[in-house]
Amino acid sequence: DGGITQSPKYLFRKEGQNVTLSCEQNLNHDAMYWYRQDPGQGLRLIYYSQIVNDFQKGDIAEGYSVSREKKESFPLTVTSAQKNPTAFYLCASSMAWGGAQLRGEQFFGPGTRLTVL
Amino acid sequence: QKEVEQNSGPLSVPEGAIASLNCTYSDRVSQSFFWYRQYSGKSPELIMSIYSNGDKEDGRFTAQLNKASQYVSLLIRDSQPSDSATYLCAVVPSGGYNKLIFGAGTRLAVHP
Repeated sequence: DGGITQSPKYLFRKEGQNVTLSCEQNLNHDAMYWYRQDPGQGLRLIYYSQIVNDFQKGDIAEGYSVSREKKESFPLTVTSAQKNPTAFYLCASSMAWGGAQLRGEQFFGPGTRLTVL
Repeated sequence: QKEVEQNSGPLSVPEGAIASLNCTYSDRVSQSFFWYRQYSGKSPELIMSIYSNGDKEDGRFTAQLNKASQYVSLLIRDSQPSDSATYLCAVVPSGGYNKLIFGAGTRLAVHP
């Protein structure tokens, strides 16, 4: 059963803590992404990775870090430097860009809702 | 800054009517266009993709693209209460490779 999994579903962080959100996919997709969604707003790109051991900053990377050691996994760490981390975090994946079949479609996991206590 | 604009709504339509959702984008050279449906508290689900000018139909959904006007729309025929959700427009910008730029979404409410 192919898909994208994210864990945990809900996460609570105390001030000053780093927390790590998990994202795993078994779709054999090359590219993976992390987005943040705040209430009533669209998705904003945090980081993305098009290949193992390589990743790029998105529009709002400050206070976040990622790694891409395996094709299937793209964990996101929310550090204490992120001053307003309460949000809905979404992981997505897609095939690599290029070719008639590959037009940029991204598929999303179920999300992690992070709350700062 | 490349932008994607949507009316936030809510767009309220009666059951059985046609819902029309609109999206404009600023990057004239954008290549791929998507509509995602997002139920409250859930993640976005891809429902339509369109890449060339004209209409693309899939069941009750029709996507319309007009690159000259930088405009993409989604029509939902025979709207059902289960269609009530937020609809996100997403665009691949020029040089963006896999990147997507999302609009803030339009909330659709279908009432019986």
